[in-house]
Amino acid sequence: AQSVTQLGSHVSVSEGALVLLRCNYSSSVPPYLFWYVQYPNQGLQLLLKYTTGATLVKGINGFEAEFKKSETSFHLTKPSAHMSDAAEYFCAVSASSTGFQKLVFGTGTRLLVSP
Amino acid sequence: KAGVTQTPRYLIKTRGQQVTLSCSPISGHRSVSWYQQTPGQGLQFLFEYFSETQRNKGNFPGRFSGRQFSNSRSEMNVSTLELGDSALYLCASTEQGLSTDTQYFGPGTRLTVL
Repeated sequence: AQSVTQLGSHVSVSEGALVLLRCNYSSSVPPYLFWYVQYPNQGLQLLLKYTTGATLVKGINGFEAEFKKSETSFHLTKPSAHMSDAAEYFCAVSASSTGFQKLVFGTGTRLLVSP
Repeated sequence: KAGVTQTPRYLIKTRGQQVTLSCSPISGHRSVSWYQQTPGQGLQFLFEYFSETQRNKGNFPGRFSGRQFSNSRSEMNVSTLELGDSALYLCASTEQGLSTDTQYFGPGTRLTVL
């Protein structure tokens, strides 16, 4: 069965600092990995995804993530945090054996950005 | 294109009642998935529908059910509500519902069970 672990329920950074949100996955099949962001009182928005091909994936708002099979990781980074990045971030793996969509999410990491 | 819409946005029910939530996917999207989000359990997959057929189901009791109409709109129903059913229910749509697809989420329906 597929699963996702996000280390750190809260991460605090200063504006302009590096953002690093950690995600490790477990999958018995080649994984498809996603990062979503959720702002208060809103649904989830896709930041980026890895399916196949290039292991460094660039997403929206300056975020990127690198798929490392040897480390079973898919950490999310952004070189310089902005106040508007404060939100909750979810890593997810597509977990259906049928080939159809079924996302298994991590527990989320709340990013706090201070001035 | 308009995004995924969910109605109602907020709902208050009492234990033992039943509730129906509605989701309209993005135009052209045929797959609709439902998720439950709670502080304790996080985001959990409920079920996925494609062309009016349930293709995937999560580990929820039979009180949770859904359906999809020919226009791809979907409803989920929870019968005999329990306090633990209080949650944000999110609906997401994709064109085909493939594992590599991006899911587009609605704003959710926040259900409170008293």
